[in-house]
Amino acid sequence: GAGVSQSPSNKVTEKGKDVELRCDPISGHTALYWYRQSLGQGLEFLIYFQGNSAPDKSGLPSDRFSAERTGGSVSTLTIQRTQQEDSAVYLCASSLVPGEQYFGPGTRLTVT
Amino acid sequence: QQQVKQSPQSLIVQKGGISIINCAYENTAFDYFPWYQQFPGKGPALLIAIRPDVSEKKEGRFTISFNKSAKQFSLHIMDSQPGDSATYFCAAKKGFQKLVFGTGTRLLVSP
Repeated sequence: GAGVSQSPSNKVTEKGKDVELRCDPISGHTALYWYRQSLGQGLEFLIYFQGNSAPDKSGLPSDRFSAERTGGSVSTLTIQRTQQEDSAVYLCASSLVPGEQYFGPGTRLTVT
Repeated sequence: QQQVKQSPQSLIVQKGGISIINCAYENTAFDYFPWYQQFPGKGPALLIAIRPDVSEKKEGRFTISFNKSAKQFSLHIMDSQPGDSATYFCAAKKGFQKLVFGTGTRLLVSP
């Protein structure tokens, strides 16, 4: 079966532009998570969707970041007016059983 | 309360040796403790996990030791191989809440 997929795999954008990153979770997984990982660093939690509950947005670093999950499946992370400090790998994960998260390969975002 | 402290930050082990990575937590309500392995350019992958009702879990060369009273858990990699060179993250969670990750340990197994 297919794992978590993310697109694009790489994105280079100019400072000030908006970007959208996509995550396709494993079919049937009710929970979806977004993380950010800077080069050689740990996992920074961004946002968590669980079923039909209100998302946990406590990790979003600023109001330039937003995410939505449509139909309980695909999720899009949007970064508006990108800044150089937004450059990182953005990882998506999904889970059926709480805790057993399966990660996608990530999107490497470079803001020039 | 929600933090998971991981050490060491980096580790070099000779091939065939034992790699040991430690994590400590404060929240006694945590009920699930996984370890993730991440290779460069890839997303983290679940390696092994334990619940607090057992003190040890072994899967092949990988063992989690869990000390509930000390609020600590560790990953042991026996007979470490160069292919084990990766970054390892411990994590913990309570119920249906999200995982709290440690800061990661970069392991290098020298040939």
